[in-house]
Amino acid sequence: DAGVTQSPTHLIKTRGQQVTLRCSPKSGHDTVSWYQQALGQGPQFIFQYYEEEERQRGNFPDRFSGHQFPNYSSELNVNALLLGDSALYLCASSTLGGLKNTEAFFGQGTRLTVV
Amino acid sequence: AQTVTQSQPEMSVQEAETVTLSCTYDTSESDYYLFWYKQPPSRQMILVIRQEAYKQQNATENRFSVNFQKAAKSFSLKISDSQLGDAAMYFCAYRGGSGNAGNMLTFGGGTRLMVKP
Repeated sequence: DAGVTQSPTHLIKTRGQQVTLRCSPKSGHDTVSWYQQALGQGPQFIFQYYEEEERQRGNFPDRFSGHQFPNYSSELNVNALLLGDSALYLCASSTLGGLKNTEAFFGQGTRLTVV
Repeated sequence: AQTVTQSQPEMSVQEAETVTLSCTYDTSESDYYLFWYKQPPSRQMILVIRQEAYKQQNATENRFSVNFQKAAKSFSLKISDSQLGDAAMYFCAYRGGSGNAGNMLTFGGGTRLMVKP
């Protein structure tokens, strides 16, 4: 089992550009959540996808959007990049309808640097 | 909205000694889960231990145990017999909504644990 895989691992973009980050969930998981972790801080919830729809959303602007594909993989898109978007972006997969004692599994993240 | 607070930005412990990391949270929900995650330099969040709010017994996983004080909304992590490999960032996290596995996690700001040989 490959676990949660994210690509790319590192990325450098220029202000104003657009970026797409990708996540493949752990086998058997149908829900993908995205988190932004600024340097020295805890992760903050961006949004969650289940059945190809956004189910929950944190306090992030519309520049942050996403998509989930029929195979449960997901993309995070950020438009009009700002310097403040520089962060580690973490993907977590889980089972929405799962038992309470199951857990979310995290990928190793994508380090985005905006210059 | 739920909040999670970790008041210790950094902690240090001697190898083989015991250290306790603090966490407090605020919620109006009655059913929730609490977690401690470890984030080593590899960046991947690794689940250390979890606690169901409805359980009075404190969770234990090998050298890791928690002190869950529901009324005080406190959730501390004790690491016994600290090892060099325990050095990492530790995050306390809350999952509400009856603790459903798919619900969002709210994280604290983290505590950096250093282990001295």
